Amino acid sequence: EAGVTQFPSHSVIEKGQTVTLRCDPISGHDNLYWYRRVMGKEIKFLLHFVKESKQDESGMPNNRFLAERTGGTYSTLKVQPAELEDSGVYFCASSQVSKDSQETQYFGPGTRLLVL
Amino acid sequence: AQKITQTQPGMFVQEKEAVTLDCTYDTSDQSYGLFWYKQPSSGEMIFLIYQGSYDEQNATEGRYSLNFQKARKSANLVISASQLGDSAMYFCAMREPYNAGNMLTFGGGTRLMVKP
Repeated sequence: EAGVTQFPSHSVIEKGQTVTLRCDPISGHDNLYWYRRVMGKEIKFLLHFVKESKQDESGMPNNRFLAERTGGTYSTLKVQPAELEDSGVYFCASSQVSKDSQETQYFGPGTRLLVL
Repeated sequence: AQKITQTQPGMFVQEKEAVTLDCTYDTSDQSYGLFWYKQPSSGEMIFLIYQGSYDEQNATEGRYSLNFQKARKSANLVISASQLGDSAMYFCAMREPYNAGNMLTFGGGTRLMVKP
């Protein structure tokens, strides 16, 4: 069974440009999460989808970030316009729906974004 | 206050020896879950082990075990018989379903280096 995949693996863009990151979750996983690790800091939650609905977007830093999950399958995270502080590693994770604390999130390999 | 604290930014261990990676946490939830992930140099985040707050036994998965001390709010990862392939970043994370929903809160990570 395929794991969580992310595309691209790396992206280098100039300040002010737009970048779109894609995440394909594990088949059958309704939960999809985006996290980000900025250089030297902890991995931070961005948002959570359940199927196509945004369950929690409390971690989104500002309105330059737009996440979608049309059809409840893959998700995209668009940064427009990108700023220098957006550089970091963007992780996607997916899980099956669970009501207890054991829900295990499986992570993708991440997209390394560098804004110059 | 930090939710998850990993006090060891870097550690060395001799191959075939055991090593303990520290993790302390802070929560007011009665029901929570604790996770450890491994991030090798290739970048992907690999789920290692889970401990639920109500679990009476310490979790074990192969060479990984979790030394869970609830009263002290610590969930240390023990790796037995270290191998060169264990060299990686290790992240402790917590899920608090009632306080924070489904998101994971991560510690800053510990870089483990296994010496031959």
